[in-house]
Amino acid sequence: GAVVSQHPSRVICKSGTSVKIECRSLDFQATTMFWYRQFPKQSLMLMATSNEGSKATYEQGVEKDKFLINHASLTLSTLTVTSAHPEDSSFYICSASGSGGTNTGELFFGEGSRLTVL
Amino acid sequence: LAKTTQPISMDSYEGQEVNITCSHNNIATNDYITWYQQFPSQGPRFIIQGYKTKVTNEVASLFIPADRKSSTLSLPRVSLSDTAVYYCPRCPYNQGGKLIFGQGTELSVKP
Repeated sequence: GAVVSQHPSRVICKSGTSVKIECRSLDFQATTMFWYRQFPKQSLMLMATSNEGSKATYEQGVEKDKFLINHASLTLSTLTVTSAHPEDSSFYICSASGSGGTNTGELFFGEGSRLTVL
Repeated sequence: LAKTTQPISMDSYEGQEVNITCSHNNIATNDYITWYQQFPSQGPRFIIQGYKTKVTNEVASLFIPADRKSSTLSLPRVSLSDTAVYYCPRCPYNQGGKLIFGQGTELSVKP
């Protein structure tokens, strides 16, 4: 099946620094990628929809200036957590759908990136 | 968008059939029904999808009644490795694959 890869899988940073997480579709072109956040023992919460070549669409309550999303190519989307604080510590997961997206719900998820802000 | 609802947790034993039901009362006409499995510290993995009636693949079956307001994921003869959280996220039609996750069901399979 299709493969989506995230990097890094784990990152620890100091409060106030910025962290970039990459999401790559390895064997298909992803016109649309999605970014989720998951706190311990909780479900995935959709943060934003990343569209190749255009601005991301953020969900209500997600600060677009804090969580910068760039989707510069059909195989790469990046999430940058700017000026990270301990409350931003979470598991960040991306998913991707192929050209044209999907209406049937079959998406491919990355392995996730665990961010710990000290 | 309304989220789906599921039992928070379920226990089972190896070799048993497990059925997990999801309520999606506000499902739209064109929405598909999907199920995902998630292990700790991993991204979710697609299990099965359907629109109506019954769908079966190599790992599970999905039963959808005529009104489509609920669905049941059936896992035949579970093993310890099936211990995971199972989700039935909403997949709004024509939104490129956006998934709206509810709480999920934590399945614990015991020996």
